[in-house]
Amino acid sequence: ETGVTQSPTHLIKTRGQQVTLRCSSQSGHNTVSWYQQALGQGPQFIFQYYREEENGRGNFPPRFSGLQFPNYSSELNVNALELDDSALYLCASSSPGDTQYFGPGTRLTVL
Amino acid sequence: QQQVKQSPQSLIVQKGGIPIINCAYENTAFDYFPWYQQFPGKGPALLIAIRPDVSEKKEGRFTISFNKSAKQFSLHIMDSQPGDSATYFCAASRPNFGNEKLTFGTGTRLTIIP
Repeated sequence: ETGVTQSPTHLIKTRGQQVTLRCSSQSGHNTVSWYQQALGQGPQFIFQYYREEENGRGNFPPRFSGLQFPNYSSELNVNALELDDSALYLCASSSPGDTQYFGPGTRLTVL
Repeated sequence: QQQVKQSPQSLIVQKGGIPIINCAYENTAFDYFPWYQQFPGKGPALLIAIRPDVSEKKEGRFTISFNKSAKQFSLHIMDSQPGDSATYFCAASRPNFGNEKLTFGTGTRLTIIP
């Protein structure tokens, strides 16, 4: 078990709604990365936060946004939810240049 | 564009056998190659990782073989057990301080038969 926690575990939303997912990083880590894992696929990089600044972004639209707080915890916000946003959302914490440790994920279902 | 290709998609091996999972990459700037194990309903857990300056790395029953010229790497699981049944992902990242995004393969669902 890593020290990375995510909440909530599961979430059901309807199309067009907004959602906020939360991640607490492992002690000593100042970098948080978010990934989207569709069913049967590998995780896809959304973005990374380092010391409260976005520090890299994957091929996701602007309705995917995030924050990192002074204690290095992080939020992922998704606006105007679409059916294809249904996935497992993973956060990973790390120190720069070091291994990424994943949390258990939040399963988002969009109806 | 899929930068890390993984095969096979699924694999069934008898207990004690040696499953082998293969990955190939395109971007020669990649310099870190981890393997993750994922059980249903859980996040990926790091198994073992390698950098291109070595051709092989062993940790317990898990071995990575790395061929830099062919841009390929593989995971071998020695003396496989039913508890090893999981989905395995290879991944790769570039050296970019503070921005080491992982590019994952599509995964291999491994089943070990008792």
